[in-house]
Amino acid sequence: SQTIHQWPATLVQPVGSPLSLECTVEGTSNPNLYWYRQAAGRGLQLLFYSVGIGQISSEVPQNLSASRPQDRQFILSSKKLLLSDSGFYLCAWSVPDLPEAFFGQGTRLTVV
Amino acid sequence: GESVGLHLPTLSVQEGDNSIINCAYSNSASDYFIWYKQESGKGPQFIIDIRSNMDKRQGQRVTVLLNKTVKHLSLQIAATQPGDSAVYFCAEDSSYKLIFGSGTRLLVRP
Repeated sequence: SQTIHQWPATLVQPVGSPLSLECTVEGTSNPNLYWYRQAAGRGLQLLFYSVGIGQISSEVPQNLSASRPQDRQFILSSKKLLLSDSGFYLCAWSVPDLPEAFFGQGTRLTVV
Repeated sequence: GESVGLHLPTLSVQEGDNSIINCAYSNSASDYFIWYKQESGKGPQFIIDIRSNMDKRQGQRVTVLLNKTVKHLSLQIAATQPGDSAVYFCAEDSSYKLIFGSGTRLLVRP
C-alpha cells in the first residue's frame, strides 16, 4: 500500500532562518506531488506541484521554493523565513490522471 | 478566475440527524469534484468524489450531489455521529491540481 511521510510535525523557526521540509511517498511510482499551505481556520492554498523529477510548477509568488530530486521525494525550502510563512504545510500525492490526492499529516510551522 | 467556495462556515447538527454541507464552484470545465474531511491537526482525508457527468454518487453514509446547472455541490451525511465532527472541504480537479474551497466546520451535538 502507498504511504506518505512528512516531517517534522512541528517546527519553530526565527525570522530570517532557512527552511527545509521533506516529504516522501512509498509504494507508488511517478506520482504527482503537491505542497499546500493552510492558514489557521482557512482553506488549503496550493503552493507547488510536480508531475516528474525536476519539474516544478509554482502557483503563487512567494519566498518559498520546491524541489524534486528523486521520483518520490518533494522538498519545500526557503532561504529566509518571514513571519507570514507561518502555517500548516501539507504534502500530497496523486496518481497521474486520477483526481484524488492523498495527504500527509502536515507540518505546523511557526515563525517567531 | 477559478474559485470554489462554501455557503456556511459552521454547521451544528444533533447526533443522529442528517447533515448537508454545500459548495459552489465557478469553473464548469472541471472533470471531478471531491469532498475531504479534515480533523484538527491532521491532513485532509478523501471522502468521496464525483465526475462531472454524474448527478449523484453514494458511499457509506455519504452522498454527493452535483447540480451543474447552478454549479452547486453538496455532501450529505446520514445519521451524523460525533466522529463526523471535522472541517469539510470541497475541491475541484483542474489540470493536475486540486483547488480547494474555504471549508465548513461540522459540529455534532450529543
